[in-house]
Order: sequence, then structure tokens, then C-alpha cells
Amino acid sequence: EVQLVESGGGLVQPGGSLRLSCAASGFDFSSYEMNWVRQAPGKGLEWISYSSSSGITIYYADSVKGRFTISRDNAKNSLYLQMNSLRAEDTAVYYCARPQAGYSGYDYWGQGTLVTVSS
Amino acid sequence: DIQMTQSPSSLSASVGDRVTITCRASQSISSYLNWYQQKPGKAPNLLIYGASSLQSGVPSRFSGSGSGTDFTLTISSLQPEDFATYYCQQSYSAPLYTFGQGTKLEI
Repeated sequence: EVQLVESGGGLVQPGGSLRLSCAASGFDFSSYEMNWVRQAPGKGLEWISYSSSSGITIYYADSVKGRFTISRDNAKNSLYLQMNSLRAEDTAVYYCARPQAGYSGYDYWGQGTLVTVSS
Repeated sequence: DIQMTQSPSSLSASVGDRVTITCRASQSISSYLNWYQQKPGKAPNLLIYGASSLQSGVPSRFSGSGSGTDFTLTISSLQPEDFATYYCQQSYSAPLYTFGQGTKLEI
């Protein structure tokens, strides 16, 4: 069974840092691209970052570029999101999501981890 | 960037109703359009991919159509468990997928 489990969320002050993790199981993680998607309270879904299966090709949404860093450890079946210089508007539930083949959407999502940026 | 616009933003309907939600892309995206259902406190669930292909395990009352810039999600006969928020997503500019703003379907 495919599982994605996020962790690392919590309360952080503006300007602070946090590292999110996504533990994958039930599939060959090293063969799959992965993404981070977030959802601010009461708002819609926002794609924020992508990693190729090797971790070599990476993309970011403009809203997080220069502040967030996506990485992965295929030996540990894990995806990460290092978040620096956090702002109040980064408050959201953060999901990792696996795309299915053929540009056909994300077929598996984690349960999400809540990040709250507040003083 | 490709912008996705859904209408309506919210919709009231009853069990048994036929419901249609529309999604419009700011440029042609061929058939690279996906639909998700999200219930409160849960992750989104993929319903339709490639504009009209039903994801495995999704009830056949859900259907999608369209190509180019205009797309629709139709629920043929609403069931109580269908009351949720629905999102479209373009996968034309992969891997930079973008979502519509969502349509909340209420009783």
C-alpha cells in the first residue's frame, strides 16, 4: 500500500525556519518525481515545489523561491522541504504528493502537516 | 503562468441533483486537466485525469469533459458523500501544475 506521511510542522516565529519531511512507503520512491503542495486555512491548493526522481531537477513557485529548498534522500525513501525566512502568509497545511504517469495528476497525497507562522 | 478559473465558487444542490462545475484555462492546455475532491480536514482525492478519464475506484456518476481552455466536471446524481470542495488542476505545464480556486458544493 502506498503511503506518504508528512512530519515536522509546528508553530514558528516570523523569520524562523522549519524542515518538513515526507516518508514514503509501498512504492519505488527513487523512480518517482515528488511535489509539495500547500493550503492556507480556508483557502485553495497551491503547488509550491517539485523534485525529479533523482533530485537533480527542481522547481519552485515564485511565492517560495529563494526561501524554501526541496531535497530528497532516495536511500531513506524521504522527501524534505527546508523552509527559511518564514512569513505569516506561509501558514498552511503542507502536503507531499506523488504524480502519476502521463501528466495525469497526483494520485497519492500525504495527510498533511500544519505550519503556523506567528509571534 | 497558466491561470485556472473555476465557476461557480460555491454551489447549493440537493441529493439526486445533476451538478456541473466549470474550469477555464488562460491558454490552451489540450486535455491536460485533472479534477480533485477534497473533504474538510482531508487531502485531495483525484477523480478525473486527462479531462475525461475516471481514476480507478471513483464512482461512475463522476464524469469530465472538455479540451483546449474549457472543461466541465459533472456529477450525474448527487450522493450525500459528494458534498465537498472540488478543484481543477492543469498538468500541461508539467511539472508546474496549477490549481483552480475551488468550488464548494453544499447541501
